[in-house]
Amino acid sequence: NAGVTQTPKFRVLKTGQSMTLLCAQDMNHEYMYWYRQDPGMGLRLIHYSVGEGTTAKGEVPDGYNVSRLKKQNFLLGLESAAPSQTSVYFCASSYLLASTDTQYFGPGTRLTVL
Amino acid sequence: SQQGEEDPQALSIQEGENATMNCSYKTSINNLQWYRQNSGRGLVHLILIRSNEREKHSGRLRVTLDTSKKSSSLLITASRAADTASYFCATDESGYSTLTFGKGTMLLVSP
Repeated sequence: NAGVTQTPKFRVLKTGQSMTLLCAQDMNHEYMYWYRQDPGMGLRLIHYSVGEGTTAKGEVPDGYNVSRLKKQNFLLGLESAAPSQTSVYFCASSYLLASTDTQYFGPGTRLTVL
Repeated sequence: SQQGEEDPQALSIQEGENATMNCSYKTSINNLQWYRQNSGRGLVHLILIRSNEREKHSGRLRVTLDTSKKSSSLLITASRAADTASYFCATDESGYSTLTFGKGTMLLVSP
């Protein structure tokens, strides 16, 4: 039982490049989330999904797209990376609504955009 | 926007001492949660307290909630070096299904 896994762990991009971050969970959770964590800012919600095939915008969605084609996977895409997207990205999942249930977090992806 | 704000930003204590962290929030909530993050790792859930609860315990953790003051506190008793981590409160604004995290308190427990 791996819990929540994220791929890759580290990545360096040049401005304008694109990439996809993969989050996978093996707990059969309905809800999945993408956060970014910047120094002194805490975690901010980018996008989330309440089930397979559904996605919704969070607090800071601009510059990102997501897809949830399979229940266990939640992909975060950066179409044209910018230095402002340098951050640590965390994926999380929960069985019930985040507000009423424990969120399980992945280990994070450290992204640097030059 | 940041819903919860932790205080202090950083706390340094000796092993065996108690550590208290506070969280203030702005709007009505249904639940408040506390999470721990060890350096370079993902967050780990510690405890959830509902708006109709005033106090909750889990091992060496004690959480209180005062909805009239819109504040919560996390007490770690008999701290250990392994408690060194950042601690975040997370709240749900009534009517919303997602959580909003504060900026965290960085706790350092020295042997």
